Amino acid sequence: GESVGLHLPTLSVQEGDNSIINCAYSNSASDYFIWYKQESGKGPQFIIDIRSNMDKRQGQRVTVLLNKTVKHLSLQIAATQPGDSAVYFCAEKGRDDKIIFGKGTRLHILP
Amino acid sequence: DAGVTQSPTHLIKTRGQQVTLRCSPISGHKSVSWYQQVLGQGPQFIFQYYEKEERGRGNFPDRFSARQFPNYSSELNVNALLLGDSALYLCASSLEVGRDTQYFGPGTRLTVL
Repeated sequence: GESVGLHLPTLSVQEGDNSIINCAYSNSASDYFIWYKQESGKGPQFIIDIRSNMDKRQGQRVTVLLNKTVKHLSLQIAATQPGDSAVYFCAEKGRDDKIIFGKGTRLHILP
Repeated sequence: DAGVTQSPTHLIKTRGQQVTLRCSPISGHKSVSWYQQVLGQGPQFIFQYYEKEERGRGNFPDRFSARQFPNYSSELNVNALLLGDSALYLCASSLEVGRDTQYFGPGTRLTVL
């Protein structure tokens, strides 16, 4: 797994604005990517996924973009709400079916 | 519909003791995976089970073991506990292995003193 520090990157966004959370993945053989949201004291909650044969996928208020050339993944949240406050993790899955979580990003919503 | 359930919610043990954590998957899900999440980090993969057989193992010592029962529930056992085993232990279930989405339970918070 990846080595991460104790201090999570933090993104502060004004309520109502759009949020963009970025993630760099490590394994070029990974072909399935997932975004999870984790609120304090809870387990990760599935948000959206994307397969490597796609470069964009949209859900309700969320969009995931995949750039395989630079191994970059992003999650866009439209019209950010207070309930969006959480830690967001990207995760990759290769052919061994093992899910590897990236470094989380804490999303802080400003009133 | 009930999601993934885990028990107990919290647990306090001392060094050297053994612990068993339990997980019930979403109804109909046949695969269970276990993760360890240390404070401030992302979950780290420990095991995956499917149809009672181990399908994957992460980089954890042999003190960690698991099993899956005929009803697809699972147990994670950790022997000879160390202070560094203090973490949130997460269970996730999916319909099958492969590209199916994994859904996580609330976790068991283990504190080793």
